[in-house]
Amino acid sequence: QKEVEQNSGPLSVPEGAIASLNCTYSDRGSQSFFWYRQYSGKSPELIMFIYSNGDKEDGRFTAQLNKASQYVSLLIRDSQPSDSATYLCAVKIEMNTGFQKLVFGTGTRLLVSP
Amino acid sequence: KAGVTQTPRYLIKTRGQQVTLSCSPISGHRSVSWYQQTPGQGLQFLFEYFSETQRNKGNFPGRFSGRQFSNSRSEMNVSTLELGDSALYLCASSLRGALYEQYFGPGTRLTVT
Repeated sequence: QKEVEQNSGPLSVPEGAIASLNCTYSDRGSQSFFWYRQYSGKSPELIMFIYSNGDKEDGRFTAQLNKASQYVSLLIRDSQPSDSATYLCAVKIEMNTGFQKLVFGTGTRLLVSP
Repeated sequence: KAGVTQTPRYLIKTRGQQVTLSCSPISGHRSVSWYQQTPGQGLQFLFEYFSETQRNKGNFPGRFSGRQFSNSRSEMNVSTLELGDSALYLCASSLRGALYEQYFGPGTRLTVT
């Protein structure tokens, strides 16, 4: 089982719709979760982070965390063609050495059509 | 506020050679992390430096090494290059560390022939 899993997509949504991106993780003790957006040929850009169960909203973006079910999701309201990108989920995971590391999922490609 | 800068942006090397990549973090950030990104494996953590000390390390062979200077600039070195080292190498800067909010540089595209 991968430490962080995302559906590779592409997830296609029409302009103005809500895009829902999901991420599951294996380490039940994980405490920190991040969403990054990566445009083709560019580097990842931090969108949001969430540490507590529940929802966190920032503009058109809402991150949802459910630790009991071990998933974190990102909702994008009023999707725009400029939101078309790959969205990477990252989770802080504790290694068996006692150190912690940030593990990225392979990303979900989102396509927003005009 | 200036962002993270990486040099060079593109590099072509031959198998067996070594390479050094450079990263300058956002002013005031003491943490610099390095990642390798490939289409097959995605984004993988190499190591993190914080105030000139290696604080975390991923599962990469010893051919991959790094260091950080007193001004927080960091370098990553890869020795005895292999074809599989061809990738986009990204560095990320953070105020608190690699396990918190990070800001990525534009990356160095390394091609090994």
